[in-house]
Amino acid sequence: GAGVSQTPSNKVTEKGKYVELRCDPISGHTALYWYRQSLGQGPEFLIYFQGTGAADDSGLPNDRFFAVRPEGSVSTLKIQRTERGDSAVYLCASSRGTSGFTDTQYFGPGTRLTVL
Amino acid sequence: AQSVTQPDIHITVSEGASLELRCNYSYGATPYLFWYVQSPGQGLQLLLKYFSGDTLVQGIKGFEAEFKRSQSSFNLRKPSVHWSDAAEYFCAVENAGNMLTFGGGTRLMVKP
Repeated sequence: GAGVSQTPSNKVTEKGKYVELRCDPISGHTALYWYRQSLGQGPEFLIYFQGTGAADDSGLPNDRFFAVRPEGSVSTLKIQRTERGDSAVYLCASSRGTSGFTDTQYFGPGTRLTVL
Repeated sequence: AQSVTQPDIHITVSEGASLELRCNYSYGATPYLFWYVQSPGQGLQLLLKYFSGDTLVQGIKGFEAEFKRSQSSFNLRKPSVHWSDAAEYFCAVENAGNMLTFGGGTRLMVKP
């Protein structure tokens, strides 16, 4: 079946602008995760949804970052007043959401955000 | 807090040679460990994972990893590297909150 998809694949914006990044998880996956990968680094956790609710948003760097998943499938990561330091690849992952540690996260190709 | 260290930023091996990528973790409880591979322009692909039981784990593409609790390590190995294995490799640990904590990655280059 189809994997995790993310749109757009690339986004260039100017400092101070607002951006939205979209993630379509694998059908039937109840858990959804956002990570951010800066150049030359490993991905860093941002937020985790179980269904429609954010189960853990401890990785969001500040209140300019916000994410929603209103119907428990597609998620949107929203960044207000973008800064040059927000430039990174934003990765989305989804999983079945089963209990315990046997759940596997499947990653999308990412959205490369560049803030000029 | 949990952390993952991949000591080697870059590794170059000749095609056909054996490979070992190092991973050390810091985690208070029994760790749940993963290796992912990231090729240019592609998402992270799971190679293998360890939850419990046999400490030698087999994965896809001929990779294996060995969990050594005494050394807090989970090194990835392959007996014979192919040119298509050139990519970036990430070790990760999962905490009780389902989030993954990744290492900084090791970029593998394969010489013909």
